[in-house]
Amino acid sequence: GESVGLHLPTLSVQEGDNSIINCAYSNSASDYFIWYKQESGKGPQFIIDIRSNMDKRQGQRVTVLLNKTVKHLSLQIAATQPGDSAVYFCAENYNQGGKLIFGQGTELSVKP
Amino acid sequence: KAGVTQTPRYLIKTRGQQVTLSCSPISGHRSVSWYQQTPGQGLQFLFEYFSETQRNKGNFPGRFSGRQFSNSRSEMNVSTLELGDSALYLCASSSGSGTEAFFGQGTRLTVV
Repeated sequence: GESVGLHLPTLSVQEGDNSIINCAYSNSASDYFIWYKQESGKGPQFIIDIRSNMDKRQGQRVTVLLNKTVKHLSLQIAATQPGDSAVYFCAENYNQGGKLIFGQGTELSVKP
Repeated sequence: KAGVTQTPRYLIKTRGQQVTLSCSPISGHRSVSWYQQTPGQGLQFLFEYFSETQRNKGNFPGRFSGRQFSNSRSEMNVSTLELGDSALYLCASSSGSGTEAFFGQGTRLTVV
């Protein structure tokens, strides 16, 4: 398959700290990117998206940065809370309808 | 506005049987995509339907099939089930390509 699911990298942070989750995407032609949060037993939840004509986009407590030169995407979460504990996935779309290619995911653990 | 609804939430089937999963997209969304999620392979794209036509297909055997109805509701079918088909099957709806895609809670399929 196109999505490689390996042993999930884990990021552990203290409550109140900022978190940065990184993702390398695969296709230089990808023009749309989404970050999802998935809690145990639930489907992925949309967090924020960004188009390839932008470098940065901000939401509530979250910021996504896009570096097309090195095909890198990052999600910054400000003032991380225990409720942010989940697996975070980046996904890319390259003009193939609704098809999304997912990264392997990062497990974020927030210590109170 | 109702979210994406998948039924059933849980299924247990025996090897060799077939199964049909259902997905009702967000009202007004015409694109429905299906994904398989396993611990070993992560999130993998199965196929996408848009206005009752399959627009994209992933790298899965022909035992996996789907369809979309005129009201945008979609079903996927897996025939001759194998143990390796045990997974969380997720459905995502969007209004089109390069737009926000929202997921349902998924159907947990266990093949015994």
